[in-house]
Amino acid sequence: TQLLEQSPQFLSIQEGENLTVYCNSSSVFSSLQWYRQEPGEGPVLLVTVVTGGEVKKLKRLTFQFGDARKDSSLHITAAQPGDTGLYLCAGGISGSARQLTFGSGTQLTVLP
Amino acid sequence: DAGVIQSPRHEVTEMGQEVTLRCKPISGHNSLFWYRQTMMRGLELLIYFNNNVPIDDSGMPEDRFSAKMPNASFSTLKIQPSEPRDSAVYFCASSSGDLTGRAKFGAGTRLSVL
Repeated sequence: TQLLEQSPQFLSIQEGENLTVYCNSSSVFSSLQWYRQEPGEGPVLLVTVVTGGEVKKLKRLTFQFGDARKDSSLHITAAQPGDTGLYLCAGGISGSARQLTFGSGTQLTVLP
Repeated sequence: DAGVIQSPRHEVTEMGQEVTLRCKPISGHNSLFWYRQTMMRGLELLIYFNNNVPIDDSGMPEDRFSAKMPNASFSTLKIQPSEPRDSAVYFCASSSGDLTGRAKFGAGTRLSVL
């Protein structure tokens, strides 16, 4: 069983601050996805990274896949209250018929 | 695109009752997933279908849980009999099945078993 551990579990910061969320595993994944989930809604896909060392940017969000494809990070610059939500990473295994293993999540609260 | 549609949004029932959750995937998606989310265990895959066929049901907790997909546009997850520990948010997701698994999730059904 592939396990994904996210840290921190909870994060509360002031608007304008920067933050980084980590997703770590002892297993190698063929792809790594990041989702954001808001209360009462399902997770929404933010990004997929597939190459070791890959960096993707989505406005103020920067996603990085570790060189060994075992870990990933999400960095948010100048956080805004609208960034508040549960951030989930999910690892995919090639050839496993598209199953995803989800991390435990990081609950982010950005205070105005 | 109406997205993945789940019903009901909320279900409150008593222990021992049968519960049926419904899902309509996005048209054209050939993979469908049922997940359960709790504070303690996070998001867990229960079962997934590919082209209406159950591929892996190893995540289904026990025989009280069953899932069907009679056609490409409809799936059900049934719990019979329900127990308080089944209380959770149940999500349905669908994808076109490409390698990166771009699954779209429904809004979920919040189940409370009293």
